[in-house]
Amino acid sequence: GQQVMQIPQYQHVQEGEDFTTYCNSSTTLSNIQWYKQRPGGHPVFLIQLVKSGEVKKQKRLTFQFGEAKKNSSLHITATQTTDVGTYFCAATTSGTYKYIFGTGTRLKVLA
Amino acid sequence: GAVVSQHPSRVICKSGTSVKIECRSLDFQATTMFWYRQFPKQSLMLMATSNEGSKATYEQGVEKDKFLINHASLTLSTLTVTSAHPEDSSFYICSARTGGDSPLHFGNGTRLTVT
Repeated sequence: GQQVMQIPQYQHVQEGEDFTTYCNSSTTLSNIQWYKQRPGGHPVFLIQLVKSGEVKKQKRLTFQFGEAKKNSSLHITATQTTDVGTYFCAATTSGTYKYIFGTGTRLKVLA
Repeated sequence: GAVVSQHPSRVICKSGTSVKIECRSLDFQATTMFWYRQFPKQSLMLMATSNEGSKATYEQGVEKDKFLINHASLTLSTLTVTSAHPEDSSFYICSARTGGDSPLHFGNGTRLTVT
């Protein structure tokens, strides 16, 4: 079945450093969503990307969708302790209605 | 808006018993809901898609007779873990969306422990 890989699996950064997680698929994606899950919590929607090469920003977060629509990235500038959690991409392919979640990247921010 | 309520949040049951988990969309109608399972420090694994008024669609490898899904109304889907065993212990989480490619709204999840 479709697999969506994310790297890195874990990332520890000092507060103020930048962070990037990458989401990769072997198949062309219809669209991709990003979610954040805090420890002990449930995933919370962050953004959706639909167009090839699309870039969206939310304050310190920048999301990109690859030109070939097979990969995506989430970049956080100047991390804060509130950024701690696991970031998941969730992707769907054309003709399907379900989202497959990536393997996730767990971010730890050291104060 | 778009709140999903899941109940119970935690349940402990004995091996061999059945457990029902409810997922409700509180302020919107959801013709489709999704059930995921999450092991500690791992990703969300899609178990099945719950369709209002019709049979659920199960992912490969998920036993439909063990994980019974009922989507009786536009705001309620239930997952029943039948004859639970310790290996069924996990975090089960449902999600729903208002339609099309709209975001998934998740319930708070149910932590099931089978003793």
